[in-house]
Amino acid sequence: DAGVTQSPTHLIKTRGQHVTLRCSPISGHKSVSWYQQVLGQGPQFIFQYYEKEERGRGNFPDRFSARQFPNYSSELNVNALLLGDSALYLCASSLWEGYGYTFGSGTRLTVV
Amino acid sequence: AQSVSQHNHHVILSEAASLELGCNYSYGGTVNLFWYVQYPGQHLQLLLKYFSGDPLVKGIKGFEAEFIKSKFSFNLRKPSVQWSDTAEYFCAVRDDNAGNMLTFGGGTRLMVKP
Repeated sequence: DAGVTQSPTHLIKTRGQHVTLRCSPISGHKSVSWYQQVLGQGPQFIFQYYEKEERGRGNFPDRFSARQFPNYSSELNVNALLLGDSALYLCASSLWEGYGYTFGSGTRLTVV
Repeated sequence: AQSVSQHNHHVILSEAASLELGCNYSYGGTVNLFWYVQYPGQHLQLLLKYFSGDPLVKGIKGFEAEFIKSKFSFNLRKPSVQWSDTAEYFCAVRDDNAGNMLTFGGGTRLMVKP
């Protein structure tokens, strides 16, 4: 069984650019969440989607947006990148809301 | 807002030593509790979780955790660590007041000396 798949694995962007990160959940999982993990810290919640609806949003600026597609895959978009957006972006999927969360390997974003 | 504290940032143990990592959370309502492990270069993996019932939870690789509601704690334990347990450990909490968001602690970096 494939786990949670994220792409790309690594990305380097310049300040001010836009980035799109992608996540494919475990087959059958309908809930997808996004987290940002800055080096040396625990993951911070960004968004959660269930059945294509936004069900939760963390304390992140409007430059961050996301969506979930009919096949339950998800995209995280970040506009006007700042140096401080450099982090590991994690996607987690869950069978249903509130159940156990399985994390992907993440996308390492570096903003220069 | 929920906060999660892991008081031990770095722990160094010798093989066969016993391990206890502390985790305290702030919210007093209904919570789900998780411990995740991140081995070097790998993704977060679930060690164990507590939803309800027996407060002593057994997970994978010989780990266990005890939920003590009166102390807002969910400490992780292992009677005898191995070199392969070298990793970063994260405690996470989901509470019924914050939807499905997981709040993570800052992590504890464990090094086991062979």
